[in-house]
Amino acid sequence: GAVVSQHPSWVICKSGTSVKIECRSLDFQATTMFWYRQFPKQSLMLMATSNEGSKATYEQGVEKDKFLINHASLTLSTLTVTSAHPEDSSFYICSAPGGTGINEQFFGPGTRLTVL
Amino acid sequence: QKEVEQNSGPLSVPEGAIASLNCTYSDRGSQSFFWYRQYSGKSPELIMFIYSNGDKEDGRFTAQLNKASQYVSLLIRDSQPSDSATYLCAVRANFGNEKLTFGTGTRLTIIP
Repeated sequence: GAVVSQHPSWVICKSGTSVKIECRSLDFQATTMFWYRQFPKQSLMLMATSNEGSKATYEQGVEKDKFLINHASLTLSTLTVTSAHPEDSSFYICSAPGGTGINEQFFGPGTRLTVL
Repeated sequence: QKEVEQNSGPLSVPEGAIASLNCTYSDRGSQSFFWYRQYSGKSPELIMFIYSNGDKEDGRFTAQLNKASQYVSLLIRDSQPSDSATYLCAVRANFGNEKLTFGTGTRLTIIP
């Protein structure tokens, strides 16, 4: 099956710094990738849709200047959390549509961000 | 606003019994429906998808879809302790690369 990787799997940073999270589709190409955020005991909330070669589409309430998304190739999307604050601490998960027919979405393993 | 509703649980089911998970959605135009399982601290993994009315079976899992009533359910037969997890229902508007809308999830505990 299709594999999506994320790096790093966890990161701890100081408040005010920026953190970059990578999402890669390993064995298929993804013109679209999705970035989700999940707080403890809550469901996945879509943050943005990453589009290869064009600007990302952000969900309502998500600050595009704070969460920078770059989808520079058909296998890589990056999410940069700029000037991170403790409230940005969360589980960030990316996904990419793949497969045939129904276009399943394959999820990366997630990145646990802790901002001190 | 498109919504997907699930009972948050926790739902406790004895080992070997049938676990029944339900999901309702508000967007009548939704076309495809997914059930994901998520263990604590892990990302979701796809269990099944369904897009036609009726039942779809895969091993111990059966997804049921009723578009007229706008609900989708997941049955887990012969429940095992390893089935203990949070189950997420997700809905997509069309068959393309459209984003998924997730429910809040139902936490399932299988009691040995």
